[in-house]
Amino acid sequence: DIVMTQSPDSLAVSQGARATINCKSSQSVLYNSNKKNYLAWYQQKAGQPPKLLIYWASTRESGVPDRFSGSGSGTDFTLTISSLQSEDVAVYYCQQYYSPPFTFGQGTRLEIK
Amino acid sequence: QLQLQESGPGLVKPSETLSLTCTVSGGSISSSSSYWGWIRQAPGKGLEWIGSVYYSGGTFYNPSLKSRVTISVDTSKNQFSLKVSSVTDADAAVYYCARVYAVDTGMVRTPGYFQRWGQGTLVTVSS
Repeated sequence: DIVMTQSPDSLAVSQGARATINCKSSQSVLYNSNKKNYLAWYQQKAGQPPKLLIYWASTRESGVPDRFSGSGSGTDFTLTISSLQSEDVAVYYCQQYYSPPFTFGQGTRLEIK
Repeated sequence: QLQLQESGPGLVKPSETLSLTCTVSGGSISSSSSYWGWIRQAPGKGLEWIGSVYYSGGTFYNPSLKSRVTISVDTSKNQFSLKVSSVTDADAAVYYCARVYAVDTGMVRTPGYFQRWGQGTLVTVSS
């Protein structure tokens, strides 16, 4: 199984500041034939289902604010929120869809400082 | 706007079978660009993929649950279903159904990212 490890487990950032969440996979999720990274990011607010933010490591889902961006390749990935808003308080998960079982990181809890 | 809604008993006895159905509205379950998946989340814990089904009936399962899980699709009702047999306390969780974007992996179309989620349904295991 591909193990997804996020860091940090929790993060407190001032409103308007940048927030950065890291995700590392135990093996590469870059598919060489199409040069795509099989990695997604989700946001889960309290009491709600997860919401897709980013897929293919860096493609923003329709309707997601452009302050959210994804980067990285191979085994190391980053979700960046450029200017944290109060509505961004949530738990964030990365997920690989390179090979089954499709696995998630343990989650990073993001709060306002 | 595609919507998914889980339904089924919220209470299951230990050793019995958990059965849930996901009804898809606002789109066809027979879309070639979609798998349909089940994910669960134990209270206060992270997300665990259970399995995914294609409209043709092809399935992918998490090996950790494969011996107890069956996922099926009913295109006539625009629904797909989950059965988990021999449940224990460890199966207590919020169960989500989701539309899974199908991705190309070599010559095969496989489940990709979870594009749209249902609201989830809490399943408790207790006698």
